[in-house]
Amino acid sequence: EVQLLESGGGLVQPGGSLRLSCTASGFRFSAYWMHWVRQVPGKGLVWVSRIYSDGSATNYADFVEGRFIISRDNAKNRLYMQMDSLRADDTAVYYCVRGDRGGFDVWGQGTMVTVSS
Amino acid sequence: DIRLTQSPSSLSASVGDRVTITCRASQSINTWLAWYQQRPGKAPKFLVYNTSYLENGVPSRFSGSGSGTEFTLTINSLQPDDSATYHCQHWIGFLWTFGQGTKLEIK
Repeated sequence: EVQLLESGGGLVQPGGSLRLSCTASGFRFSAYWMHWVRQVPGKGLVWVSRIYSDGSATNYADFVEGRFIISRDNAKNRLYMQMDSLRADDTAVYYCVRGDRGGFDVWGQGTMVTVSS
Repeated sequence: DIRLTQSPSSLSASVGDRVTITCRASQSINTWLAWYQQRPGKAPKFLVYNTSYLENGVPSRFSGSGSGTEFTLTINSLQPDDSATYHCQHWIGFLWTFGQGTKLEIK
């Protein structure tokens, strides 16, 4: 079964850091672009970041550029997001997502990140 | 940047009805337009890609169409479990953009 499982979310103070992880199974992880997409509960979906299949290139939404770093370990079938200088408006559910055919065809269950003092 | 605006923001329909959700782009876009279904408390589900191609396993009651600045998702013969929020999404280059979502309630 194709699956993505996120972990690492939680409560963090403004200015703090958090590292999200995502473990992939059931498909050839190294063949796909991978993304993080976030969603404030009750609001719309927002793309955050993308990493090439071999990790050679990354892209970020403007609102996280310079604060978040996406990475991957293809040997471990894992995707990561290092989130620094967190702000209250980073509070959201973060989804690990597989990219394919111009969209996002496999989603994890999401991990909640709450930035609050 | 391209903005996607969905209409309506919410709608209510009955079992057996046909509904159409529209996604309008702020400028003419390519055909890399996708649709997702998101049930409450769940992750989104990939329904349609490249404007009109159904993902494997998606019932043929769902269909997508459009070009330029206007794209639509049509659901025929509504079923109770179609109750969800539907999101459109576009890709070009290094940008992935979502609409704000349309909440569909089944009466």
